[in-house]
Amino acid sequence: EVQLVESGGGLVKPGGSLRLSCATSGFIFSDYTMNWVRQAPGRGLEWVASISGRSSYIYYADSVKGRFTISRDNAKDSLFLQMNSLRAEDTAVYFCVREEFSDYFDFWGQGTLVTVSS
Amino acid sequence: DIQMTQSPSSLSASLGDRVTITCRASQGISNFLAWFQQKPGRAPKSLMYAASTLASGVPSRFSGSGSETDFTLTISSLQPEDFATYYCQQYNNYPYTFGQGTKLESK
Repeated sequence: EVQLVESGGGLVKPGGSLRLSCATSGFIFSDYTMNWVRQAPGRGLEWVASISGRSSYIYYADSVKGRFTISRDNAKDSLFLQMNSLRAEDTAVYFCVREEFSDYFDFWGQGTLVTVSS
Repeated sequence: DIQMTQSPSSLSASLGDRVTITCRASQGISNFLAWFQQKPGRAPKSLMYAASTLASGVPSRFSGSGSETDFTLTISSLQPEDFATYYCQQYNNYPYTFGQGTKLESK
């Protein structure tokens, strides 16, 4: 059974940093592109970043480029999102999402809440 | 960036109704279109990919159609568990983009 479990969310002040983790199981992690998608309270879904299986290809949304860094540890079946220079508008639930071989998002984690507030 | 526009933004319907949600892309995306269902406080769930292919375990009352810029999601006979918010998403180009969502409520 595919499982994606996010952790690392919490309350942080504007300008602060946070590192999210996504522990995975039930599939060959290194074979899959992984993504972070976020959802601000009461709002829609926003794709944040994507990383290919061997970390060869990495893409970011313009809204986080230069501040967030996506990475992965295939030996530990884990995905990460390092978030620096956080802003109030980064407040959201962050979902870890697996991208199937046809490029669509087939499995989502339950999400972790990040709140940026003074 | 490719803009995805869903209509309507909200919809009231009754059990057994046939419901259609539309998604329009600002430029052609072939069939690289997915649909997701989200219930309050829950993660989105994959419904459909490649515009018309049902994800694993999704009931056959859900169907999808369209290509390039115009797509639809249809629920043939609404069931109680279908009341939720639905999102379309294009994965033809980065940045991947979502529609704003359609909230399906009970009439």
